[in-house]
Amino acid sequence: DGGITQSPKYLFRKEGQNVTLSCEQNLNHDAMYWYRQDPGQGLRLIYYSQIVNDFQKGDIAEGYSVSREKKESFPLTVTSAQKNPTAFYLCASGESGATGELFFGEGSRLTVL
Amino acid sequence: SQQGEEDPQALSIQEGENATMNCSYKTSINNLQWYRQNSGRGLVHLILIRSNEREKHSGRLRVTLDTSKKSSSLLITASRAADTASYFCATPPRDRRALTFGSGTRLQVQP
Repeated sequence: DGGITQSPKYLFRKEGQNVTLSCEQNLNHDAMYWYRQDPGQGLRLIYYSQIVNDFQKGDIAEGYSVSREKKESFPLTVTSAQKNPTAFYLCASGESGATGELFFGEGSRLTVL
Repeated sequence: SQQGEEDPQALSIQEGENATMNCSYKTSINNLQWYRQNSGRGLVHLILIRSNEREKHSGRLRVTLDTSKKSSSLLITASRAADTASYFCATPPRDRRALTFGSGTRLQVQP
């Protein structure tokens, strides 16, 4: 089945550690996105990529890094520089241009101990 | 940068009643989208309305768009307990190629 897969679903991290969240899609979409969601809040854009080997910062990119080496994959690294990393992270994909529908993964919940 | 804002923040209704949620945005758009999120899950696209459309229907959903007031509404008719979720509006700002989401309306449908 076509879709977008995030892993892991739950992740615990000690302060000072980097952690990488996986996002894979088989929808042949050019564009991929990472959003952060805090409890009871909306989505805030971290990074997005419209094409392989290119990506742009969103509203809250500090403390995060991404890569886009393959069309299907857009991993997000939460670095130790991110001051408050505990959150729900959502990956999405869509056609290039961001004017159409986005398809979301099921999310990864990161908790810093 | 927050583009859309939903109102109300929370809504509780009885099964069978209609639910109306509103979204206001700040800049000109070429379309507006509504998404649904069940607790702890990803978002699911519900409906897209283009800037030259005033109303659109999909099953029990009715969306309106008023570009002069920069606002949209989502109406869910004959609500069911399974409609309990958060609903978000989203718009593509002209200055970048990524959807911006509002803070959402949390809908609770009591059986």
